[in-house]
Order: sequence, then structure tokens, then C-alpha cells
Amino acid sequence: GAGVSQSPRYKVAKRGQDVALRCDPISGHVSLFWYQQALGQGPEFLTYFQNEAQLDKSGLPSDRFFAERPEGSVSTLKIQRTQQEDSAVYLCASSPAAGHDEQYFGPGTRLTVT
Amino acid sequence: AQSVTQLGSHVSVSEGALVLLRCNYSSSVPPYLFWYVQYPNQGLQLLLKYTTGATLVKGINGFEAEFKKSETSFHLTKPSAHMSDAAEYFCAVRRSNDYKLSFGAGTTVTVRA
Repeated sequence: GAGVSQSPRYKVAKRGQDVALRCDPISGHVSLFWYQQALGQGPEFLTYFQNEAQLDKSGLPSDRFFAERPEGSVSTLKIQRTQQEDSAVYLCASSPAAGHDEQYFGPGTRLTVT
Repeated sequence: AQSVTQLGSHVSVSEGALVLLRCNYSSSVPPYLFWYVQYPNQGLQLLLKYTTGATLVKGINGFEAEFKKSETSFHLTKPSAHMSDAAEYFCAVRRSNDYKLSFGAGTTVTVRA
């Protein structure tokens, strides 16, 4: 079956531009996660949704970062007024249920801010 | 809070040699432990996990790991490296009563012919 997909795969933005990153989770998966992976580092948690509810946004680095999942399936991570330090790979993961052991990861979106 | 330390950011092994990737964790509650592999331009793929039960867990592609509570370790091994094992490997921990994964910084494995 289809896995987690993300688009675009690559995004180059000029400093100050807004960007929107899309995640299509595995169909029927309740839980959805966003992680940020800086170059040479492991992924770091950004935010968590259970269906359409954003239950945890403690990892969002600033108020320029906003995520939504309005219908409990597709999610969008938006970054306003991008800065160079936002350059990273943004990974989306989904899992069948809250507390399920395994998170299934998408290929990521590589954001480069120039 | 939990944290993960992976010893060695780069490991180079000969084809057919033992692969050993070290992971130590800290967790305030019983942890769930994971190893993920990441190939270039791809997402993370789960190799294996420990939740409860047997402390020696076997995963895909011939990898295994042993949970040692007394050493707070979850080292990953493979008896005989293959060229296709060249990738980046991440150890991750999750509290048993939580959902967030905390990752180590990763170890890049290269395999010499």
C-alpha cells in the first residue's frame, strides 16, 4: 500500500518568504507527527496531531511555525518569514493509533533558505 | 526527559565484518527503544524495536539489538556487513507513556569492499 508522502520534496525559499509543506499520511492513520532534521543531526519533534486535534506543539521553534490538519488526514506545516536557520529536512510520520509502537516516515521535504 | 547518545558519528567496516553501532539512552520511565535506517534522500525505515519482553530483538536485514537496562544501552549489531548496509542509522527512545520519539545524532556506516 501507499506510504507517507510529502510534497514538495525540495524547496528553496528566499529569506522572508512563507512556505507550506504538505504531508499525506497513510490512509486511516490517526496520529501524525512532524519532525525537523538539521544537517548532520537526528530528527527533532515539532508537533503531534491526533485526528484533527493538535495535541502537542511544544517542539515548534517559534511562532513563525504553524501546522494544521483540518480534516484529520492531510497536514500542512507552514513557516512564515523564513530564516536561514529554518533550513532543514522536515519529516512527517504517521501511525495507526495513539500510542502505537511504530511511526511510519515519509521521505521528507528539504528546505533551503537563501 | 529522555535523551539518546550514539557513540561515533562515522563507522567504516569491511564487507563481511561485524557491524556494531552503540546507543545509550536516559529515560525517567521504562523506555521503548528503536533503531531506524535512512538511505540517501529517503525517509526513516524501522529496523527493529524493543518495547517489552525479550531483551534481544531481531529486525530486518539481519540486524539485532540487545536492551541492557543496567547499562542503559541498546547497541545494534549485524554479524556480516553487506555493501547495501551503507546508510545512516538512528537510535531513538520513547517513554512508554508518551508518543514523541527522541533521536540520537546518527551514525553513518560505510562498507569497504
